[in-house]
Amino acid sequence: AQSVTQLGSHVSVSEGALVLLRCNYSSSVPPYLFWYVQYPNQGLQLLLKYTTGATLVKGINGFEAEFKKSETSFHLTKPSAHMSDAAEYFCAVSPPVDYKLSFGAGTTVTVRA
Amino acid sequence: DAGVTQSPTHLIKTRGQQVTLRCSPISGHKSVSWYQQVLGQGPQFIFQYYEKEERGRGNFPDRFSARQFPNYSSELNVNALLLGDSALYLCASRPGPQGEAFFGQGTRLTVV
Repeated sequence: AQSVTQLGSHVSVSEGALVLLRCNYSSSVPPYLFWYVQYPNQGLQLLLKYTTGATLVKGINGFEAEFKKSETSFHLTKPSAHMSDAAEYFCAVSPPVDYKLSFGAGTTVTVRA
Repeated sequence: DAGVTQSPTHLIKTRGQQVTLRCSPISGHKSVSWYQQVLGQGPQFIFQYYEKEERGRGNFPDRFSARQFPNYSSELNVNALLLGDSALYLCASRPGPQGEAFFGQGTRLTVV
């Protein structure tokens, strides 16, 4: 079984500041890990994913995440926030076999000018 | 190329009614999954279909059913609607049983 915990339902950052979204997971098998972004009234867009290999993963729009097995974490970061980053972000985990995604509750990011 | 398309985009139903939601995957994709996203929560997995066969089912009651057609489009049916079924229903398609999921914009269902 897999589950995801996203720490902090809301994060507010200033434009140009670091964005850090926390995600911890539990999984009975080595997981695949994902971050998705959802803009209002839209579906989910994949930001990045970890399957195997390098633990630091770079995604779209300047985001990156690091898989830390010892900490069961997959935190998402962006060095400098932009107004367009305001959205809801979801961390998800799936077993490699079937890709059935289990999502966290989401973190809403607001960006202050 | 068109992405994942879902119809309708919004609908309102009364408790006890039945509803059918539709999804057309990206051309060439043979796998479709359905997710329910209740307001303020993350999406919950409902069904996965590949090559017209059910490949997985989430923890949802039998009132929820789905099917996939020869052209790989899919329908999600919900019978005896409850107020708690109000949610955004998302469809995702993949080229095969594995790989990156591409999501549609969803169908917003409101049960009154």
